[in-house]
This record gives sequence, structure tokens and C-alpha cells, in this order.
Amino acid sequence: GQNIDQPTEMTATEGAIVQINCTYQTSGFNGLFWYQQHAGEAPTFLSYNVLDGLEEKGRFSSFLSRSKGYSYLLLKELQMKDSASYLCAVTDSNYQLIWGAGTKLIIKP
Amino acid sequence: ETGVTQTPRHLVMGMTNKKSLKCEQHLGHNAMYWYKQSAKKPLELMFVYSLEERVENNSVPSRFSPECPNSSHLFLHLHTLQPEDSALYLCASSQERGRGPDEQFFGPGTRLTVL
Repeated sequence: GQNIDQPTEMTATEGAIVQINCTYQTSGFNGLFWYQQHAGEAPTFLSYNVLDGLEEKGRFSSFLSRSKGYSYLLLKELQMKDSASYLCAVTDSNYQLIWGAGTKLIIKP
Repeated sequence: ETGVTQTPRHLVMGMTNKKSLKCEQHLGHNAMYWYKQSAKKPLELMFVYSLEERVENNSVPSRFSPECPNSSHLFLHLHTLQPEDSALYLCASSQERGRGPDEQFFGPGTRLTVL
């Protein structure tokens, strides 16, 4: 079966750095997405990786290793507004998005 | 209106009621999706429409019935639901399913409670 694993919940301190990991086992691979979802709101796109390596976008970076079936989302200089759920999703060989259950990130002052 | 809109935002219904959820996208996209989001579970893809044709139906019970009259509108008709159907129902759209980084844009969702 197809599976995406990510931690259920993480806690970090304002101003610090946090890394949210995602491992996947899917039928084929056509890219990996990270979405952010604040409580009661719609998921919003953060990043997309299809080649190995690090993609940096401001305070957020996303890394992919296809050989290891592994990605992480790195958040720097954490702000209180970064408290949200972070969803990892992989596009399989049929271009269907397979979603993880999300990681709830709690930021403490 | 911009992006993806959904109505109603909240819905409470009894098991014998019939109701419909509406989704509208203002992005000129060709694909639209219905998802179910339950607490601490992955997003469950329910239906996919591409150019107004249903291309995916992931073993969803027949008490959920989608309708896509045009590329901008998507409905989810509900009837004789069960309490376990209570969840957040999200609509999304994308430019063209099956091509490259097909980022999905989500609506705010309808919080459904079945009594």
C-alpha cells in the first residue's frame, strides 16, 4: 500500500529552527508537496520538490531524497504565526496526491 | 471573489436530511476535487473532475453524490448520512491534473456535523 509518515505533533520555541520529517512509500513518484494549514482554514501551498536537494524559500526550506523516500521541511526564525499543521503529500505514478496525516506544530514564546 | 470558495461554511444535518455543498473556483482551472478531512487522519480524496468529467471515485458511499455542471462549479449532494460522516469537507482545484507540479488550491471547507 501507499503510505506517508510524519510526526503527529512537534513543539518549538519562537525564534528557533524546527525540522519536520516526512517519509513515503508510494507507487511511483512525481513530486512532493508541503502545505500549511492553520486551524479552521484551508491548506495553502508551501513548496514542491521533484529533484533531490534543497529548495529554499525565505524562512522555509524543503529537502528531498528520492532514493531514501524522505523529505523534510525546515522552518527558521520561528514566529508565533507558524503554529499550524504541516501536510506532506506525494504525487504517485498516476498523478494522484497521497497525503500524510499532518504534523501539528506548536510554537511557544 | 477570488480563489476557491465554499458554501456553507458550517452545516448541521440529521441523518434523514438532504443537503448540498457548493464549491466555486475563480482561477480558470480544469480540475476540481472533493476531500474529506477527519481529525488526525490524512486527507481522503473522494472525487476528482477533470474538464467536467469524473475521473476518480475512491470507493465513496453512494450517499455522497458529486456534480460538476461546468469547470468552475462543483457540488456534493448529501443524503441519509451517518454520524461518522461528520468531518471537514474541502474542495480544491488545480490547473490540469496529471501534468507536472499540479499545485492544488483549497477552499476554506465546510464543517459538517451529522446528528
